Amino acid sequence: DGGITQSPKYLFRKEGQNVTLSCEQNLNHDAMYWYRQDPGQGLRLIYYSQIVNDFQKGDIAEGYSVSREKKESFPLTVTSAQKNPTAFYLCASSIGRKETQYFGPGTRLLVL
Amino acid sequence: GDSVTQMEGPVTLSEEAFLTINCTYTATGYPSLFWYVQYPGEGLQLLLKATKADDKGSNKGFEATYRKETTSFHLEKGSVQVSDSAVYFCALGATNAGKSTFGDGTTLTVKP
Repeated sequence: DGGITQSPKYLFRKEGQNVTLSCEQNLNHDAMYWYRQDPGQGLRLIYYSQIVNDFQKGDIAEGYSVSREKKESFPLTVTSAQKNPTAFYLCASSIGRKETQYFGPGTRLLVL
Repeated sequence: GDSVTQMEGPVTLSEEAFLTINCTYTATGYPSLFWYVQYPGEGLQLLLKATKADDKGSNKGFEATYRKETTSFHLEKGSVQVSDSAVYFCALGATNAGKSTFGDGTTLTVKP
């Protein structure tokens, strides 16, 4: 089955620690995205990538970093510079940036 | 820049009631328009879309028409069910100038 997967489902971060969220897709999509969702809020774009080895900052990129070394993978690192990382993180992909986005099941990040 | 304004929630309806969730947009160019649905603890999934003016998207009894003259894409369903309880997001696809844009979401609760 084609789809987009995220792991882990829950992630705990200690003070000063960097953590990496995984996102993998087997849909052969060129574009991939990371969003942050806070309780009762909409989606805010962190980073997006339209092609391998290229990515752009979204609206709230500070404290986050990404890489796009393979078409199917777009990991997100939440660095210690992100002071309020507790949120639900959603990864998505699309054939092209104007097309329907397909979302993963999300990772909930909590701070210890 | 591009923006989406959704009807504020939460919306609470009785089963079999008529549903309207308003969505208006501001965009440069002519983006595709989308409605996504999010069930508790999950990622978003596409509900319906329309790619040009006067197109009607429909799925699972939900409908929305791309109205260029009123810059709107209101979501409607004639008879809601308890299983329709979810958060609904209106979204603009990316235009040549920018990236996709999501509304803040509207929470729908349907009571038996």
